[in-house]
Amino acid sequence: EAEVAQSPRYKITEKSQAVAFWCDPISGHATLYWYRQILGQGPELLVQFQDESVVDDSQLPKDRFSAERLKGVDSTLKIQPAELGDSAMYLCASRDQTSGSNEQFFGPGTRLTVL
Amino acid sequence: QKEVEQNSGPLSVPEGAIASLNCTYSDRGSQSFFWYRQYSGKSPELIMSIYSNGDKEDGRFTAQLNKASQYVSLLIRDSQPSDSATYLCAVNNRGNRDDKIIFGKGTRLHILP
Repeated sequence: EAEVAQSPRYKITEKSQAVAFWCDPISGHATLYWYRQILGQGPELLVQFQDESVVDDSQLPKDRFSAERLKGVDSTLKIQPAELGDSAMYLCASRDQTSGSNEQFFGPGTRLTVL
Repeated sequence: QKEVEQNSGPLSVPEGAIASLNCTYSDRGSQSFFWYRQYSGKSPELIMSIYSNGDKEDGRFTAQLNKASQYVSLLIRDSQPSDSATYLCAVNNRGNRDDKIIFGKGTRLHILP
């Protein structure tokens, strides 16, 4: 069964360090999303890609966060420098726009802890 | 500001009973509605999607949508301990390129053995 892949699954870092997360969407899914989920909250969209283009990054803290999807397939989300408040689950999701469905499928997530 | 509201719970339901989870949304233009199940420490898993008014059944799960009341619910029949999780309601307003999903904060469901 096709799945969204993410790595690493867990990351512990000290504040002011740089971290990077990787996501490989379900094959053929042109739309890719990065979410942040704080404990006890629902996922909040950070950035949305359509192929290699950013569709929405209005909630991405651009002073420290960056995201890219250079070839329109896999994607990287970077935080530099990390802050204590960045501790959260970072989720990647993808969607098959050609199916006409709005269903998004999530990867396993990366649990980030900033010390 | 588009909002999706859920009771955070916990909602405790005896094993074998029907669990009823509710969600309201603010944007009347919303067209797609989803329920995700999320176990502690895991990522959300899509369990139901519904697009038109009425009921949609899939196994022990039934999603109900009432667009006039801006209300969507999820019923879980014959609740099992494995159904204990947080259930996220998500709503999409698909227009042009605005196909973002807005998530509620989730309802914690606890099935009592």
